[in-house]
Amino acid sequence: SQKIEQNSEALNIQEGKTATLTCNYTNYSPAYLQWYRQDPGRGPVFLLLIRENEKEKRKERLKVTFDTTLKQSLFHITASQPADSATYLCAHQNQAGTALIFGKGTTLSVSS
Amino acid sequence: DARVTQTPRHKVTEMGQEVTMRCQPILGHNTVFWYRQTMMQGLELLAYFRNRAPLDDSGMPKDRFSAEMPDATLATLKIQPSEPRDSAVYFCASGSTGGFSNQPQHFGDGTRLSIL
Repeated sequence: SQKIEQNSEALNIQEGKTATLTCNYTNYSPAYLQWYRQDPGRGPVFLLLIRENEKEKRKERLKVTFDTTLKQSLFHITASQPADSATYLCAHQNQAGTALIFGKGTTLSVSS
Repeated sequence: DARVTQTPRHKVTEMGQEVTMRCQPILGHNTVFWYRQTMMQGLELLAYFRNRAPLDDSGMPKDRFSAEMPDATLATLKIQPSEPRDSAVYFCASGSTGGFSNQPQHFGDGTRLSIL
């Protein structure tokens, strides 16, 4: 079955550093990957979408990469701030095209 | 900013009671999704609608769950009878025309359901 794994449940970093979150997928090669942010008590908020032919995509301090050989997406937050503390989820469509499969998320804590 | 609105935000009820959760999707969005989130399973798709027609509800326990869209501004998710294992946060999301993969989904803030 298709799996999408975010291999760190939690990541703690200092303000100003770059946070790097990892998303790995197996058994299927999606054409797109999405990243969402979720704050406690709130719903996920869409951040970025990257296509398989886009090796890298940027939005302000965010950067996403998509390596189809490694079956991996990396999500970077540069110059991290305490306000970036949240859970970050990656997602892709299942092979049947009937659902968006989400990873369980990585909870990022940025300390000042 | 347009938002998906879910009511109620919190619901505590006893086992066996009927629970109804409501969702108002973003105006103009024609796809609506219901998800359930738990610590163990993460976010799981329960059902989704396109143009108010149910397209897939394979993620939903059919014997007790039902999802409907009586009109374009309202989606409902019902559980009858409710069980303690249904305790979770239920999210509604909406999106514009397109497949799952290439369009963002816009989530509401969820209904936190506790079944005693």
